[in-house]
Amino acid sequence: GAVVSQHPSRVICKSGTSVKIECRSLDFQATTMFWYRQFPKQSLMLMATSNEGSKATYEQGVEKDKFLINHASLTLSTLTVTSAHPEDSSFYICSADPVGSIYNEQFFGPGTRLTVL
Amino acid sequence: AQSVTQPDIHITVSEGASLELRCNYSYGATPYLFWYVQSPGQGLQLLLKYFSGDTLVQGIKGFEAEFKRSQSSFNLRKPSVHWSDAAEYFCAASGTYKYIFGTGTRLKVLA
Repeated sequence: GAVVSQHPSRVICKSGTSVKIECRSLDFQATTMFWYRQFPKQSLMLMATSNEGSKATYEQGVEKDKFLINHASLTLSTLTVTSAHPEDSSFYICSADPVGSIYNEQFFGPGTRLTVL
Repeated sequence: AQSVTQPDIHITVSEGASLELRCNYSYGATPYLFWYVQSPGQGLQLLLKYFSGDTLVQGIKGFEAEFKRSQSSFNLRKPSVHWSDAAEYFCAASGTYKYIFGTGTRLKVLA
């Protein structure tokens, strides 16, 4: 149980285009989902917290207009990287906190490798 | 400020040797604590977690961790390392809804 999927697993795009990454909780509902970014050989950096039906909360230094987050249902959150540039190339990981969870345990997706040419 | 520290960036051990990865936390109260493993290009896999109760926690793949409140530590151990354990290991703490991750420890296993 508690499986989180991400799609796509890898994406290559041209500079200036937009890319959408989906994060789904497959066997549970998640009020809260999180988006992380991971640079090579570094730890995970929280980008934003997404709550179903409301606006995402972005961490300091994360551009809201570049990284659009939508959490339209209790099982789906999307991250859209708008007007992507090579510096946006990274590994993006989402996680989900199940409804009713009392320990704030997050379940992580397998990650999406974004390469911007 | 809340923080999680993994003092060792890299650790190299021989296959069959014992392993201990260190994790220290700074928190207002006792947080929930987690250890994750990440292979190259992969997501995070939960090894074990501590919420309360018994301070020695057993996890998957033969790993265990001991919570020591007096030392604000949650060190990960394995009695005999296998070559397949080579990966990046992350300690994380959660007290509210956000995770605080350590910087990670990269484990290399020598044959």
